[in-house]
Amino acid sequence: DGGITQSPKYLFRKEGQNVTLSCEQNLNHDAMYWYRQDPGQGLRLIYYSQIVNDFQKGDIAEGYSVSREKKESFPLTVTSAQKNPTAFYLCASSSGTGEVREQFFGPGTRLTVL
Amino acid sequence: EDQVTQSPEALRLQEGESSSLNCSYTVSGLRGLFWYRQDPGKGPEFLFTLYSAGEEKEKERLKATLTKKESFLHITAPKPEDSATYLCAVQAVWDYKLSFGAGTTVTVRA
Repeated sequence: DGGITQSPKYLFRKEGQNVTLSCEQNLNHDAMYWYRQDPGQGLRLIYYSQIVNDFQKGDIAEGYSVSREKKESFPLTVTSAQKNPTAFYLCASSSGTGEVREQFFGPGTRLTVL
Repeated sequence: EDQVTQSPEALRLQEGESSSLNCSYTVSGLRGLFWYRQDPGKGPEFLFTLYSAGEEKEKERLKATLTKKESFLHITAPKPEDSATYLCAVQAVWDYKLSFGAGTTVTVRA
C-alpha cells in the first residue's frame, strides 16, 4: 500500500529543545518537500529535495534543518532557533520525472511548544 | 512572485445547494494548477491538475475549470461529506515548487 507516513502525529516541545519530525514514502518519488501550515494561511515551503543528498531552502527555512540520505526518507529538525514553531507540519513527495509536479501529502505532525 | 488568492474564505451551504469556489492566480507562465481537499487535522488530498485555459475536469460532485487568470471549483448538489477545506496551488513553468492559496472552508448542512 503506497503512501507517505509521518510520525509522530502529535509532538510537544519544551523551549530550547530540538525535535525531529519523520517523513517516509514508498512511492519511489524523487522529490520531497516540507511545509508548515498555520491557521488562515496557505502552506509555506520550508525545505525541498529533488534527489538524494541534495536539498534547497524554501521560503521559511530559518530555524529548520533537513537531511536526505535515502530516497525514501526526509526528516525535518525544528531547532531551538525557530522562535514560533507551533504549527501543523506536512511532508509531501512528487515524481521527479516529467514537468508537472503533483504533490502527494502525508497525514501531518502537529507540533506544540510548551 | 507567484500569488494565489482564494475566495470566499468560508462557504456555508445547504445540502443540495450548488456553488462555486474561486482561485485567482498571478504566475509568470503556468505549468499546472492543482486542487486539493483537506479535512481537519489531516494532510491535503489531491483532486485535480489543470494545464491550460479552457480545460475542465470532474470527479463525482466536483468540477474544476481554468481560465488564464483564475480557476473555479464547482460543487454540484453537495452532501455533508463534501465539507472540507479546498486548497488551490500553482506551479510556474520555471519552477518545481508549488504556491498555495489560503483555502476555502466549505460546510454543508444536512
